[in-house]
Amino acid sequence: AQSVTQPDIHITVSEGASLELRCNYSYGATPYLFWYVQSPGQGLQLLLKYFSGDTLVQGIKGFEAEFKRSQSSFNLRKPSVHWSDAAEYFCAVGAGNNDMRFGAGTRLTVKP
Amino acid sequence: DAGVIQSPRHEVTEMGQEVTLRCKPISGHNSLFWYRQTMMRGLELLIYFNNNVPIDDSGMPEDRFSAKMPNASFSTLKIQPSEPRDSAVYFCASGQPEGETQYFGPGTRLLVL
Repeated sequence: AQSVTQPDIHITVSEGASLELRCNYSYGATPYLFWYVQSPGQGLQLLLKYFSGDTLVQGIKGFEAEFKRSQSSFNLRKPSVHWSDAAEYFCAVGAGNNDMRFGAGTRLTVKP
Repeated sequence: DAGVIQSPRHEVTEMGQEVTLRCKPISGHNSLFWYRQTMMRGLELLIYFNNNVPIDDSGMPEDRFSAKMPNASFSTLKIQPSEPRDSAVYFCASGQPEGETQYFGPGTRLLVL
Protein backbone atom coordinates (compact mmCIF):
# COMPACT_ATOMS: atom_id res chain seq x y z
CA ALA A 1 0.00 0.00 0.00
CA GLN A 2 1.22 3.48 -0.72
CA SER A 3 2.16 5.81 2.09
CA VAL A 4 3.51 9.30 2.50
CA THR A 5 5.89 10.59 5.16
CA GLN A 6 6.54 14.22 5.95
CA PRO A 7 9.36 14.07 8.49
CA ASP A 8 9.04 17.65 9.69
CA ILE A 9 5.97 18.54 11.72
CA HIS A 10 6.89 22.19 12.05
CA ILE A 11 9.45 24.40 10.29
CA THR A 12 10.30 28.01 10.97
CA VAL A 13 12.13 30.15 8.43
CA SER A 14 12.88 33.84 8.15
CA GLU A 15 11.17 35.88 5.49
CA GLY A 16 13.33 35.94 2.38
CA ALA A 17 15.12 32.72 3.25
CA SER A 18 14.92 29.61 1.13
CA LEU A 19 12.60 26.76 2.01
CA GLU A 20 12.62 23.01 1.50
CA LEU A 21 9.85 20.76 2.80
CA ARG A 22 10.54 17.07 2.71
CA CYS A 23 8.27 14.33 1.46
CA ASN A 24 9.02 10.63 1.11
CA TYR A 25 6.67 8.10 -0.32
CA SER A 26 6.35 4.36 -0.50
CA TYR A 27 4.80 2.83 -3.58
CA GLY A 28 5.58 -0.01 -5.94
CA ALA A 29 5.42 1.98 -9.15
CA THR A 30 5.80 5.63 -10.01
CA PRO A 31 2.88 7.30 -8.32
CA TYR A 32 1.17 10.57 -8.96
CA LEU A 33 2.58 13.11 -6.52
CA PHE A 34 1.05 16.32 -5.21
CA TRP A 35 1.70 19.21 -2.89
CA TYR A 36 -1.22 21.07 -1.35
CA VAL A 37 -1.25 24.13 0.89
CA GLN A 38 -3.82 24.87 3.58
CA SER A 39 -4.11 28.34 5.04
CA PRO A 40 -5.81 28.67 8.43
CA GLY A 41 -9.54 28.08 8.17
CA GLN A 42 -9.31 27.24 4.49
CA GLY A 43 -9.48 24.15 2.33
CA LEU A 44 -6.52 22.58 0.58
CA GLN A 45 -5.22 24.30 -2.53
CA LEU A 46 -3.15 22.46 -5.11
CA LEU A 47 0.36 23.88 -5.47
CA LEU A 48 1.74 21.46 -8.03
CA LYS A 49 1.64 17.87 -9.22
CA TYR A 50 3.85 15.32 -10.90
CA PHE A 51 2.52 12.61 -13.17
CA SER A 52 5.41 11.94 -15.55
CA GLY A 53 8.09 13.65 -17.64
CA ASP A 54 10.35 16.37 -16.33
CA THR A 55 11.16 15.58 -12.72
CA LEU A 56 11.34 19.26 -11.75
CA VAL A 57 7.82 20.60 -11.51
CA GLN A 58 6.87 24.24 -11.27
CA GLY A 59 3.80 25.26 -9.34
CA ILE A 60 1.91 28.32 -8.27
CA LYS A 61 3.17 31.00 -5.87
CA GLY A 62 6.79 30.41 -6.89
CA PHE A 63 7.00 26.85 -5.56
CA GLU A 64 8.71 23.94 -7.25
CA ALA A 65 9.23 20.29 -6.41
CA GLU A 66 11.63 17.66 -7.63
CA PHE A 67 10.80 14.01 -8.03
CA LYS A 68 13.75 11.76 -7.19
CA ARG A 69 12.93 8.16 -7.88
CA SER A 70 16.13 6.83 -6.31
CA GLN A 71 15.28 8.52 -3.02
CA SER A 72 11.50 8.08 -3.22
CA SER A 73 11.23 11.77 -2.50
CA PHE A 74 9.24 14.72 -3.76
CA ASN A 75 10.56 17.71 -1.84
CA LEU A 76 8.96 21.13 -2.13
CA ARG A 77 11.17 24.20 -2.50
CA LYS A 78 10.91 27.95 -2.71
CA PRO A 79 13.93 30.22 -3.11
CA SER A 80 12.58 33.13 -1.07
CA VAL A 81 9.75 32.76 1.42
CA HIS A 82 7.12 35.45 1.92
CA TRP A 83 5.15 36.00 5.12
CA SER A 84 2.00 34.96 3.26
CA ASP A 85 3.48 31.49 2.75
CA ALA A 86 2.84 30.65 6.40
CA ALA A 87 0.45 27.71 6.25
CA GLU A 88 0.30 23.95 6.46
CA TYR A 89 1.67 21.96 3.56
CA PHE A 90 0.57 18.48 2.61
CA CYS A 91 2.28 16.03 0.33
CA ALA A 92 0.04 13.40 -1.26
CA VAL A 93 0.48 10.32 -3.40
CA GLY A 94 -2.11 8.91 -5.76
CA ALA A 95 -2.21 5.47 -7.26
CA GLY A 96 -4.20 6.28 -10.36
CA ASN A 97 -7.47 4.98 -9.00
CA ASN A 98 -8.66 7.91 -6.94
CA ASP A 99 -6.89 6.41 -3.94
CA MET A 100 -4.94 9.36 -2.61
CA ARG A 101 -2.93 9.29 0.59
CA PHE A 102 -1.94 12.44 2.39
CA GLY A 103 1.02 13.02 4.63
CA ALA A 104 0.54 14.35 8.13
CA GLY A 105 1.45 17.85 7.03
CA THR A 106 4.23 20.33 7.79
CA ARG A 107 3.35 23.59 9.46
CA LEU A 108 5.41 26.51 8.16
CA THR A 109 6.00 29.58 10.31
CA VAL A 110 7.64 32.62 8.72
CA LYS A 111 9.59 34.99 10.97
CA PRO A 112 9.73 38.68 10.05
CA ASP B 1 -16.37 28.20 -11.87
CA ALA B 2 -17.14 28.74 -8.21
CA GLY B 3 -15.13 25.74 -7.09
CA VAL B 4 -16.37 23.11 -4.68
CA ILE B 5 -19.12 24.50 -2.48
CA GLN B 6 -19.80 23.20 1.00
CA SER B 7 -22.51 24.10 3.46
CA PRO B 8 -22.78 24.93 6.21
CA ARG B 9 -19.32 26.37 6.89
CA HIS B 10 -19.78 25.97 10.62
CA GLU B 11 -22.09 23.72 12.59
CA VAL B 12 -22.52 23.47 16.34
CA THR B 13 -24.85 20.80 17.62
CA GLU B 14 -25.55 18.72 20.67
CA MET B 15 -24.68 15.11 21.11
CA GLY B 16 -27.36 12.83 19.70
CA GLN B 17 -28.55 15.23 17.04
CA GLU B 18 -28.48 14.50 13.33
CA VAL B 19 -26.00 16.47 11.27
CA THR B 20 -26.11 16.83 7.49
CA LEU B 21 -23.21 18.26 5.54
CA ARG B 22 -23.66 19.26 1.92
CA CYS B 23 -21.36 19.47 -1.06
CA LYS B 24 -21.65 20.72 -4.62
CA PRO B 25 -18.72 19.54 -6.76
CA ILE B 26 -17.19 21.39 -9.65
CA SER B 27 -19.29 21.01 -12.77
CA GLY B 28 -17.93 18.28 -15.03
CA HIS B 29 -16.08 16.45 -12.28
CA ASN B 30 -17.23 12.88 -11.90
CA SER B 31 -15.35 11.95 -8.73
CA LEU B 32 -16.32 13.21 -5.29
CA PHE B 33 -14.52 12.65 -2.01
CA TRP B 34 -15.39 13.25 1.65
CA TYR B 35 -12.52 13.76 4.10
CA ARG B 36 -12.31 14.40 7.81
CA GLN B 37 -9.48 16.40 9.36
CA THR B 38 -8.56 16.35 13.03
CA MET B 39 -5.44 17.26 14.93
CA MET B 40 -4.98 13.72 16.14
CA ARG B 41 -5.57 11.81 12.91
CA GLY B 42 -4.81 14.34 10.20
CA LEU B 43 -6.68 14.10 6.91
CA GLU B 44 -8.68 10.90 6.48
CA LEU B 45 -10.60 9.79 3.43
CA LEU B 46 -14.09 8.73 4.47
CA ILE B 47 -15.69 7.79 1.16
CA TYR B 48 -15.47 8.54 -2.51
CA PHE B 49 -17.92 8.39 -5.39
CA ASN B 50 -17.32 7.88 -9.07
CA ASN B 51 -20.19 8.80 -11.40
CA ASN B 52 -22.47 9.11 -8.34
CA VAL B 53 -21.71 5.55 -7.24
CA PRO B 54 -19.92 4.92 -3.91
CA ILE B 55 -16.67 3.15 -4.74
CA ASP B 56 -14.86 2.92 -1.43
CA ASP B 57 -16.46 3.61 1.93
CA SER B 58 -13.90 1.76 4.01
CA GLY B 59 -12.94 5.00 5.70
CA MET B 60 -16.40 5.64 7.11
CA PRO B 61 -15.88 5.27 10.85
CA GLU B 62 -19.10 3.49 11.75
CA ASP B 63 -22.76 3.04 10.93
CA ARG B 64 -23.60 6.45 12.29
CA PHE B 65 -22.03 7.90 9.16
CA SER B 66 -23.70 7.71 5.77
CA ALA B 67 -23.12 9.48 2.47
CA LYS B 68 -25.23 9.86 -0.63
CA MET B 69 -24.80 11.33 -4.08
CA PRO B 70 -28.25 11.48 -5.70
CA ASN B 71 -26.94 13.32 -8.76
CA ALA B 72 -23.74 14.65 -10.27
CA SER B 73 -24.06 18.04 -8.62
CA PHE B 74 -24.87 17.21 -5.02
CA SER B 75 -23.70 15.01 -2.17
CA THR B 76 -24.48 14.76 1.52
CA LEU B 77 -22.65 13.33 4.49
CA LYS B 78 -24.91 12.54 7.41
CA ILE B 79 -24.04 11.71 11.00
CA GLN B 80 -26.84 10.24 13.10
CA PRO B 81 -26.58 10.36 16.05
CA SER B 82 -23.65 12.72 16.41
CA GLU B 83 -21.07 12.35 19.18
CA PRO B 84 -18.45 14.77 20.56
CA ARG B 85 -15.65 12.71 18.96
CA ASP B 86 -17.13 13.55 15.55
CA SER B 87 -15.99 17.15 16.02
CA ALA B 88 -13.67 17.89 13.11
CA VAL B 89 -13.42 19.74 9.83
CA TYR B 90 -15.09 17.85 7.02
CA PHE B 91 -13.88 18.50 3.49
CA CYS B 92 -15.45 17.65 0.20
CA ALA B 93 -13.28 17.41 -2.91
CA SER B 94 -14.03 16.68 -6.54
CA GLY B 95 -11.89 15.41 -9.39
CA GLN B 96 -11.85 15.43 -13.15
CA PRO B 97 -12.68 12.34 -15.17
CA GLU B 98 -9.25 11.39 -16.38
CA GLY B 99 -7.05 13.16 -13.92
CA GLU B 100 -5.97 12.43 -10.42
CA THR B 101 -6.11 15.97 -9.07
CA GLN B 102 -8.62 16.68 -6.33
CA TYR B 103 -10.03 20.14 -5.74
CA PHE B 104 -11.11 20.87 -2.21
CA GLY B 105 -13.97 22.86 -0.80
CA PRO B 106 -13.52 25.25 2.13
CA GLY B 107 -14.69 22.65 4.63
CA THR B 108 -17.37 22.43 7.29
CA ARG B 109 -16.18 22.91 10.85
CA LEU B 110 -18.33 20.68 13.06
CA LEU B 111 -18.50 20.94 16.82
CA VAL B 112 -20.58 18.41 18.72
CA LEU B 113 -21.17 19.38 22.34
